[in-house]
Amino acid sequence: DAMVIQNPRYQVTQFGKPVTLSCSQTLNHNVMYWYQQKSSQAPKLLFHYYDKDFNNEADTPDNFQSRRPNTSFCFLDIRSPGLGDAAMYLCATRVGVGGKYTEAFFGQGTRLTVV
Amino acid sequence: EDQVTQSPEALRLQEGESSSLNCSYTVSGLRGLFWYRQDPGKGPEFLFTLYSAGEEKEKERLKATLTKKESFLHITAPKPEDSATYLCAVQYLYNTDKLIFGTGTRLQVFP
Repeated sequence: DAMVIQNPRYQVTQFGKPVTLSCSQTLNHNVMYWYQQKSSQAPKLLFHYYDKDFNNEADTPDNFQSRRPNTSFCFLDIRSPGLGDAAMYLCATRVGVGGKYTEAFFGQGTRLTVV
Repeated sequence: EDQVTQSPEALRLQEGESSSLNCSYTVSGLRGLFWYRQDPGKGPEFLFTLYSAGEEKEKERLKATLTKKESFLHITAPKPEDSATYLCAVQYLYNTDKLIFGTGTRLQVFP
């Protein structure tokens, strides 16, 4: 039944070792988001896609990259994770057409630990 | 800078004790305001969408309302299972794709 699936749920990586988080959706939604959420903080938008158009937030570190090879899949690459990148990473999807948007559906998140 | 402010940061209620959570936003031109519930270690779960001032939505013990500068989430006779963090997110007309989240209100309901 899960509609937005994030893998893995928990990821432990070494300081400086590249890591990739994945998100897949069965909803065929055209808009996809990646958020970073640290403890007791608001989810912070890193980037989003509107169809194939990529939108990077101005304050997203260059260390973070994203790929969306097709509608269903989206990846978050962290090239050289630092201790400050430990967080919950949330993927969300929604429909956006002609200025009208549905609510966003979130995955269960990936908890990233950097050691 | 676009801001979404939620208050209080934390709220402890006795079971059955009704209260309200606040979400205020700083910029006019709202496209939509969204309420989510987030349980520890999980992704946010959608509750309500509000589009225009005066609009209200209800679901079980929750009722969301919207004015021109803020939204309230009213919780009537809460139960322990209502304990969670409640997040609001705003989408502005000029920045159509983005959802900007507040820091949330952490609600604890005690039996």
